[in-house]
Amino acid sequence: AQSVSQHNHHVILSEAASLELGCNYSYGGTVNLFWYVQYPGQHLQLLLKYFSGDPLVKGIKGFEAEFIKSKFSFNLRKPSVQWSDTAEYFCAVNGGSSNTGKLIFGQGTTLQVKP
Amino acid sequence: EPEVTQTPSHQVTQMGQEVILRCVPISNHLYFYWYRQILGQKVEFLVSFYNNEISEKSEIFDDQFSVERPDGSNFTLKIRSTKLEDSAMYFCARGGVAGEADTQYFGPGTRLTVL
Repeated sequence: AQSVSQHNHHVILSEAASLELGCNYSYGGTVNLFWYVQYPGQHLQLLLKYFSGDPLVKGIKGFEAEFIKSKFSFNLRKPSVQWSDTAEYFCAVNGGSSNTGKLIFGQGTTLQVKP
Repeated sequence: EPEVTQTPSHQVTQMGQEVILRCVPISNHLYFYWYRQILGQKVEFLVSFYNNEISEKSEIFDDQFSVERPDGSNFTLKIRSTKLEDSAMYFCARGGVAGEADTQYFGPGTRLTVL
């Protein structure tokens, strides 16, 4: 079955610390990979995406993610977090056997950045 | 990227009542999606809608649910007879522009509370 797994449910960091959020997927065929962020009280916003090409993708607000096909992973990174990065982060996948674009989400990671 | 707007932001209803959730894309797109997020759980795909037809639906999307785009603009999700377990955030999403149809942009969501 298609699935997405995020290993960290709740992460607490101090400002300026480095961030890495894990995401693994189980999905047949070619996949597209996404990270969405949901700031408190706001809607899901696209952080970055990978369709093809360079496996290291850069998104908004200094985030980047690396697609490692052999590990079925798409981990999110940021070298130095800010208090404003406090939010919930969702990894998502589409493609494979579905051609309708439906997204399969991970369970989300809550990031709390202490000032 | 412009997003979608959703109304109402919060809907409270009695069990067994019908509810209609609305999604209004800011620009004209062909791909639309509904997702829901039960409190504390992951975002789940409900249905995809392309060119005024359902293109894929999940197991959750049973006969109690329906979608339509009655006036070529608003995209609605109807729940005919709500159950307590339908309480959730419901998110509408639209596909991206040509060439990135797999990227989805989300609305702010409607919080449905079934009493």
